[in-house]
Amino acid sequence: GQQLNQSPQSMFIQEGEDVSMNCTSSSIFNTWLWYKQDPGEGPVLLIALYKAGELTSNGRLTAQFGITRKDSFLNISASIPSDVGIYFCAGQPETGNQFYFGTGTSLTVIP
Amino acid sequence: NAGVTQTPKFQVLKTGQSMTLQCAQDMNHNSMYWYRQDPGMGLRLIYYSASEGTTDKGEVPNGYNVSRLNKREFSLRLESAAPSQTSVYFCAIRDYLNEQFFGPGTRLTVL
Repeated sequence: GQQLNQSPQSMFIQEGEDVSMNCTSSSIFNTWLWYKQDPGEGPVLLIALYKAGELTSNGRLTAQFGITRKDSFLNISASIPSDVGIYFCAGQPETGNQFYFGTGTSLTVIP
Repeated sequence: NAGVTQTPKFQVLKTGQSMTLQCAQDMNHNSMYWYRQDPGMGLRLIYYSASEGTTDKGEVPNGYNVSRLNKREFSLRLESAAPSQTSVYFCAIRDYLNEQFFGPGTRLTVL
């Protein structure tokens, strides 16, 4: 199957700092999705991206669809304690109905 | 959880027992998915259904069967549970914007 490399694996930051994480794939994707998962819950969709170069924001979150169509980036500005959780990227290749997921970035925000 | 319900929330099985995990959606979407989530491995696709009456294998289908008898429901069956199937199972739907939404999950332990 497709391999999605997500980095970093974990981050420990001070409240108020900005956060960046990214995902890269071995092949071209048509759709990139970013999720946040809290302990004991299902993943919650944050942002969806559909075109190369697309930049989309959702509050303090901004995600970009890489121009090579093989990567995507998520930034969180001015982090707050409730940003704590695991962030996943997911992508859908050019053909088929499947989505492939990264292994997640665990974010800890220190007040 | 965006109209996706899963039952049960928790289950403990003995090796060799069988059970069916249920998933239902109230949004009338065609595509439904079953994933398992294990520590450090992200979400892996078990089976998916692009429409009522059709199913396809994902990345890790061995030991599972699925059934999509109607548009609303997509069930996952373990015929003979094994300890390696201890995991958190998530059902998801895909909407017309190619976004995936997840249910709350079923936490399964096989002893």
